[in-house]
Amino acid sequence: DTGVSQNPRHKITKRGQNVTFRCDPISEHNRLYWYRQTLGQGPEFLTYFQNEAQLEKSRLLSDRFSAERPKGSFSTLEIQRTEQGDSAMYLCASSLDRLSGNTIYFGEGSWLTVV
Amino acid sequence: AQKVTQAQTEISVVEKEDVTLDCVYETRDTTYYLFWYKQPPSGELVFLIRRNSFDEQNEISGRYSWNFQKSTSSFNFTITASQVVDSAVYFCALSEGGDTGKLIFGQGTTLQVKP
Repeated sequence: DTGVSQNPRHKITKRGQNVTFRCDPISEHNRLYWYRQTLGQGPEFLTYFQNEAQLEKSRLLSDRFSAERPKGSFSTLEIQRTEQGDSAMYLCASSLDRLSGNTIYFGEGSWLTVV
Repeated sequence: AQKVTQAQTEISVVEKEDVTLDCVYETRDTTYYLFWYKQPPSGELVFLIRRNSFDEQNEISGRYSWNFQKSTSSFNFTITASQVVDSAVYFCALSEGGDTGKLIFGQGTTLQVKP
């Protein structure tokens, strides 16, 4: 059973460009999350999906950010018109929502540097 | 407001020493979930433990043990006979709004184990 997979692992982009990250969750997991982590800080919640439905978005997720999970499997996180403040690691996580509990497994993250 | 505090920013120990990482949380929820994750230099958040608020039993897993005390809102993590491979950043997290998977993370504690 493979873990949560993210790509690209590293992305350097110029300010104003658009970037897209992809996340492939653990295969049977119905929930998928996006978090953002800056240097020296803990991860911060951005958004999550239950199957293909986006159930919640953090106030951290500005209009330039959009996330999709079209078929309830993989997800993409797009950042439009990137700014230097978007430089961070974007973490994807997944879980199987069940009565016994909701253990969240994270991927290795996608590092974004905006220059 | 919900909050997780890891007061220890950095800890340095010599191999084979025992070390305890502190975690204090604040929540108004009666049902909540607490987590510990390990983040090695590669960046991936590795799941260590999940504990619900109704289960105050301490847990031991190999060299790892956890002490959950609702009376003091603490969920401390002890590594016995530390090893160099334990060097990482450790995060304590609280699940917001029950078992949603929306985690509030502490700032993290960087553990350095020297040979």
